Amino acid sequence: EVQLVQSGAEVKKPGESLKISCQASGYTFTSYWIAWVRQRPGKGLEWLGIIYPRDSDTRYSPSFQGQITISADKSISTAYLQWSNLKAADTATYYCARPRQQLVRWALDYWGQGTLVTVSA
Amino acid sequence: QSVLTQPPSVSAAPGQKVTISCSGSRSSVGNSFVSWYQQVPGTAPRLLIYDDDQRPSGIPDRFSGSKSATSASLDITGLQTGDEADYYCGTWDSSVSFGRVIFGGGTKLTVL
Repeated sequence: EVQLVQSGAEVKKPGESLKISCQASGYTFTSYWIAWVRQRPGKGLEWLGIIYPRDSDTRYSPSFQGQITISADKSISTAYLQWSNLKAADTATYYCARPRQQLVRWALDYWGQGTLVTVSA
Repeated sequence: QSVLTQPPSVSAAPGQKVTISCSGSRSSVGNSFVSWYQQVPGTAPRLLIYDDDQRPSGIPDRFSGSKSATSASLDITGLQTGDEADYYCGTWDSSVSFGRVIFGGGTKLTVL
């Protein structure tokens, strides 16, 4: 059974750094892209970027380039999303998600449970 | 501001049919497959339709998708109260380098 299990909720202050995780199981981690999706409170879905764990090929949405870093550790089947300088506007639930098919970057079929990140002074 | 346009809300009575539209461009909907997602508040999205009109296993055939040119639609027939949720379309946008996934703004379905 494919599972994506994310790290727990975080409360941070503006300017702080943060790294959240997404541990995959039930499939070959290196054979599928992993995407990160943001959902601000009461708002819609926004695609942040994607990583291919086999070679760590990482691509970002132009809207988020330079603001986040996506990485992966294939030895422990875990993807990460990190910030070095959090802002209140980063307050949101963040999901990791896996596409339905290998080598495909859309049709997100498996989702983590979400990690709520709250940034407040 | 979402690149794919959906109506903010739709409603219908139990047992009825509802259609949710998703309008894009030639570089998005017109050039790639469309997916549809259902999200019950407080839970992660669930893939309902992929490749314009395909259902993953376990998705009832009450849900169907279609696409024409730069617009796509999700039909839900035999509405049930459990269908109340937010629905998002998504596709690959090739207008930027490498591309990106884009989503519609979401449509809230109310089953009256």
